[in-house]
Amino acid sequence: DTAVSQTPKYLVTQMGNDKSIKCEQNLGHDTMYWYKQDSKKFLKIMFSYNNKELIINETVPNRFSPKSPDKAHLNLHINSLELGDSAVYFCASSLLNRRNEKLFFGSGTQLSVL
Amino acid sequence: EDKVVQSPLSLVVHEGDTVTLNCSYEVTNFRSLLWYKQEKKAPTFLFMLTSSGIEKKSGRLSSILDKKELFSILNITATQTGDSAIYLCAVEGYALTSGTYKYIFGTGTRLKVLA
Repeated sequence: DTAVSQTPKYLVTQMGNDKSIKCEQNLGHDTMYWYKQDSKKFLKIMFSYNNKELIINETVPNRFSPKSPDKAHLNLHINSLELGDSAVYFCASSLLNRRNEKLFFGSGTQLSVL
Repeated sequence: EDKVVQSPLSLVVHEGDTVTLNCSYEVTNFRSLLWYKQEKKAPTFLFMLTSSGIEKKSGRLSSILDKKELFSILNITATQTGDSAIYLCAVEGYALTSGTYKYIFGTGTRLKVLA
């Protein structure tokens, strides 16, 4: 029943490893996002996909590669993990071109890079 | 550059106090302003504001938007320990670089309510 679900909830890994986070929404939204929340709790957008097409790509290292197989899924793959990648990553979704539609968040993935 | 600034960054009050959280913004082609409450996990939606001067209310929480002065406030009356959280303000605006709308978040206000 969860509207926006992401897995895993926690991820602990060594520097240099490659890892993926998955996200799915069952709200019928056409747009999905990845946000990174740092230790100071600042939420910053990384990517946004609308109907499987990349529409927002903020200044994010190439080691981060999003993939959207369909409009209900948006996965995030991270290569060669670094200590600075440690953060909470939130997936979110919305209806992009409709007014008065809010952003729905997943429960977050806490990534710790050792 | 688009930005959303929240103040104060953190606040400690006692139960029963009233608090006012501020959110000011400079965003291209403003569409809406949203308030979220974040406890341990995902931010949960509180209010969406699109028109100036119309107060939105939910229990002890209320919010209002001033589109002329480019700010919004979130009021919490008779605070309880369960109100302890980070309160996030997000503004939806048009991103010229990507040709689409996006949400820009403020840094949040961390509220702690003591018993």
